[in-house]
Amino acid sequence: DTAVSQTPKYLVTQMGNDKSIKCEQNLGHDTMYWYKQDSKKFLKIMFSYNNKELIINETVPNRFSPKSPDKAHLNLHINSLELGDSAVYFCASSLWNSGITDTQYFGPGTRLTVL
Amino acid sequence: GQQLNQSPQSMFIQEGEDVSMNCTSSSIFNTWLWYKQEPGEGPVLLIALYKAGELTSNGRLTAQFGITRKDSFLNISASIPSDVGIYFCAGQLEGGSEKLVFGKGTKLTVNP
Repeated sequence: DTAVSQTPKYLVTQMGNDKSIKCEQNLGHDTMYWYKQDSKKFLKIMFSYNNKELIINETVPNRFSPKSPDKAHLNLHINSLELGDSAVYFCASSLWNSGITDTQYFGPGTRLTVL
Repeated sequence: GQQLNQSPQSMFIQEGEDVSMNCTSSSIFNTWLWYKQEPGEGPVLLIALYKAGELTSNGRLTAQFGITRKDSFLNISASIPSDVGIYFCAGQLEGGSEKLVFGKGTKLTVNP
C-alpha cells in the first residue's frame, strides 16, 4: 500500500487558472509538508502542518494556500497560476517529536506545468 | 548560514567502483538524513543519523554524522547500475526549527 500518495501525478494548465493538489498519508503521522522541486532539482520546504495546525510557512506567495482537513491529509491550492509555478511538488509526512523532526517520507510528486 | 554544501554535484563511475559524497555546513545540525531520488519518483530515505559520530550502514551504503555536527558523508561500495539517481543530504538545524534543509544533490551515473 502506498504510504504517501498524491493526486494528480501530472497537471498541465494555463496561466491564471486555479488548481489543487491533494496528499494523503496512511502512516499514522501527525506532521505533513509541501516541498517544491525546481528544474535544478533543488528541494525547498513550503509549508508544514502538525495536527492540522500550520507550523512552517516559508516565504511563499499567498497565491498558495495549504489546507489540512485532518492529520492524514494536506492539500495545496494555487490561485492565479504563473509560469514560474511550474515545478514538481512533493508532499511528505513524519512524526512530531517535541519539535525535533523525525524522518520524513515523501510522496511520488506532482509535476505541474503552467503554459 | 543555513545552506548545505553538497559535493560533488555529479559523478560518472564504472560499475563496481566505490562512491563517496558529502555535505558540509557552517551551522550545527541535530539530524542528518540521506535520500535517493530516481527519475519521476519522490526522494526515498536511505539512512538517518541522529547522533554526532554515528556511523550507520544499510547494505552497501554507509553514512556518518560528523563529530562537529556540521557535516555528513555517504559512501556506496561496489556500485551497480541501479544505484543511479540523485542523492540528497538533508538536515535539521540545531535550534528547534522543524524544517529540513536539503543539499542540492549529487547526481550519480553508473556505467555498466
